[in-house]
Amino acid sequence: AQSVTQPDIHITVSEGASLELRCNYSYGATPYLFWYVQSPGQGLQLLLKYFSGDTLVQGIKGFEAEFKRSQSSFNLRKPSVHWSDAAEYFCAVGAGSGGGADGLTFGKGTHLIIQP
Amino acid sequence: NAGVTQTPKFQVLKTGQSMTLQCAQDMNHEYMSWYRQDPGMGLRLIHYSVGAGITDQGEVPNGYNVSRSTTEDFPLRLLSAAPSQTSVYFCASRRGLRTGELFFGEGSRLTVL
Repeated sequence: AQSVTQPDIHITVSEGASLELRCNYSYGATPYLFWYVQSPGQGLQLLLKYFSGDTLVQGIKGFEAEFKRSQSSFNLRKPSVHWSDAAEYFCAVGAGSGGGADGLTFGKGTHLIIQP
Repeated sequence: NAGVTQTPKFQVLKTGQSMTLQCAQDMNHEYMSWYRQDPGMGLRLIHYSVGAGITDQGEVPNGYNVSRSTTEDFPLRLLSAAPSQTSVYFCASRRGLRTGELFFGEGSRLTVL
């Protein structure tokens, strides 16, 4: 069965510093990979997705992620964070088979705190 | 662009009461689903639908009912609310069962006393 691990429950970063959120997945073939962001009291918004092709994916709000098959990772990065980036971040893997009933499995999330 | 719309945003119920959470999407998506989000548990799939008249159970279906009479609407019914159903509920839609990304509503926060 596929799975997603976000090793960091909480991360604190100073405003203007760089950010990397880790995501590791388990899946037998090439997965579809997603990063979602959830601001307080809001639904989940898609930041970026990887289906195939270039392993470095650009998303909204200045985020990018790199798919590394050899490491089964899809880490999210941003060169300089802003206070408005404080939120909960979810990695998800989806595929044509396996996983939950709809083939999607979410990580438990990483809570990002921005220090002034 | 409305996307996925959920109502109500907040609801307080007493144990044993019933209620319906409404969900509507205007993107002509075939797939719709309900998740619940609890601290430390991430998102768990309750029920999903791949088209009008077709529904199926997810990971945590007990205590919930769904129906899909139209492509646009996918209501979630709590038949007899229990405190364990206190949670934030998200409706989501997707082009197909395993196609594309999920689009989420803003959530419905339910408290069962």
